[in-house]
Amino acid sequence: NAGVTQTPKFRVLKTGQSMTLLCAQDMNHEYMYWYRQDPGMGLRLIHYSVGEGTTAKGEVPDGYNVSRLKKQNFLLGLESAAPSQTSVYFCASSYRGAGTLSLNTEAFFGQGTRLTVV
Amino acid sequence: TQLLEQSPQFLSIQEGENLTVYCNSSSVFSSLQWYRQEPGEGPVLLVTVVTGGEVKKLKRLTFQFGDARKDSSLHITAAQPGDTGLYLCAGAYREQTGANNLFFGTGTRLTVIP
Repeated sequence: NAGVTQTPKFRVLKTGQSMTLLCAQDMNHEYMYWYRQDPGMGLRLIHYSVGEGTTAKGEVPDGYNVSRLKKQNFLLGLESAAPSQTSVYFCASSYRGAGTLSLNTEAFFGQGTRLTVV
Repeated sequence: TQLLEQSPQFLSIQEGENLTVYCNSSSVFSSLQWYRQEPGEGPVLLVTVVTGGEVKKLKRLTFQFGDARKDSSLHITAAQPGDTGLYLCAGAYREQTGANNLFFGTGTRLTVIP
């Protein structure tokens, strides 16, 4: 069972470089999310998608772009990396909106991508 | 702006001891989830509580949702080294877009010493 797969797992970028993080899920989930995790700050939502072809901004969207061209994939892009974007990035997916008062509200997370911008 | 504060931030206890972790907010959430995260892994859901005052038990873990649905607690009885990890609470809320998302707390890092 693959679940949610993130690539790459580690990356070091120089300031100003660009990169794309890939998230793939094989559970046919409608919702997908990108979070960043920093020490002492928990997980903060960057962008999310409620279905193929749709994206929306989360709590900390500046400096990031996303695309959901296929239902199973959610891409996170950094156009011009900055040291403040050094973080661990997590992708997640859920059948419905995580926390929705219905069944199947669990969010499934990938293993994370550790990004360092120097 | 949502704010979910967890306390304590760090907790180190001996095997067999009991502990309680708190998750507090000034906001009302429609439901609240608890996740556990181990090093190098993503968070994994432990429980979802929905009703104010609700209590759920998962083996040695007891979760409670406050009556006003603003706070929650996690109590572990007779902690074991396998309980070591980062515990995260997450409150569910509705975005302006109508989507239901989670707002995560700051986390409690628990270490259980054998």
